[in-house]
Amino acid sequence: AQKITQTQPGMFVQEKEAVTLDCTYDTSDPSYGLFWYKQPSSGEMIFLIYQGSYDQQNATEGRYSLNFQKARKSANLVISASQLGDSAMYFCAMRHTGGFKTIFGAGTRLFVKA
Amino acid sequence: GAVVSQHPSWVICKSGTSVKIECRSLDFQATTMFWYRQFPKQSLMLMATSNEGSKATYEQGVEKDKFLINHASLTLSTLTVTSAHPEDSSFYICSARDQQGPSYEQYFGPGTRLTVT
Repeated sequence: AQKITQTQPGMFVQEKEAVTLDCTYDTSDPSYGLFWYKQPSSGEMIFLIYQGSYDQQNATEGRYSLNFQKARKSANLVISASQLGDSAMYFCAMRHTGGFKTIFGAGTRLFVKA
Repeated sequence: GAVVSQHPSWVICKSGTSVKIECRSLDFQATTMFWYRQFPKQSLMLMATSNEGSKATYEQGVEKDKFLINHASLTLSTLTVTSAHPEDSSFYICSARDQQGPSYEQYFGPGTRLTVT
């Protein structure tokens, strides 16, 4: 069965510092994709970064990078140089390649302190 | 980038009435759209997969007769909450796959907040 686990309900980080949001997953399918989304208080889901299970290198998108450790089945999101606008809910998600159903973790609420 | 809109963004209705929520892909065609439900401070739960020109596929535990989904065109899917009750109050989010774009990408709408009084 597919499962996404985010064990940090809330995280605090000082502005301009880096923060890591944890995500572990479980699947028996060898081909899948991992996603991170940001959900501000407005409710919209903002796509941040994607990592394919066969990708050799960790994905990066600007200040976002995904620390992909396949053997450990973890896909942690690293946000560098945190900004006040980064305060939001962050969801880790997984979808099997070619599949339709996306599984979301419980989410981590990030608070960036000035 | 691809844009998905939802209408209305928020709605208040009385118990027992029906409410229709629209999800549109504005600049791409979407043969498949997805409807999610999110309770306060919780994660997104997939309710159903909407397929253009065919019946929707509902997740286990989702009442088909209560949450009617119609995907009549490549750019529009609708979710109708029939005989709404206060427990149906929630944030409903749709997403769509661009059939021409990367297979992994889904684009989310801004969500619709439903309050049933």
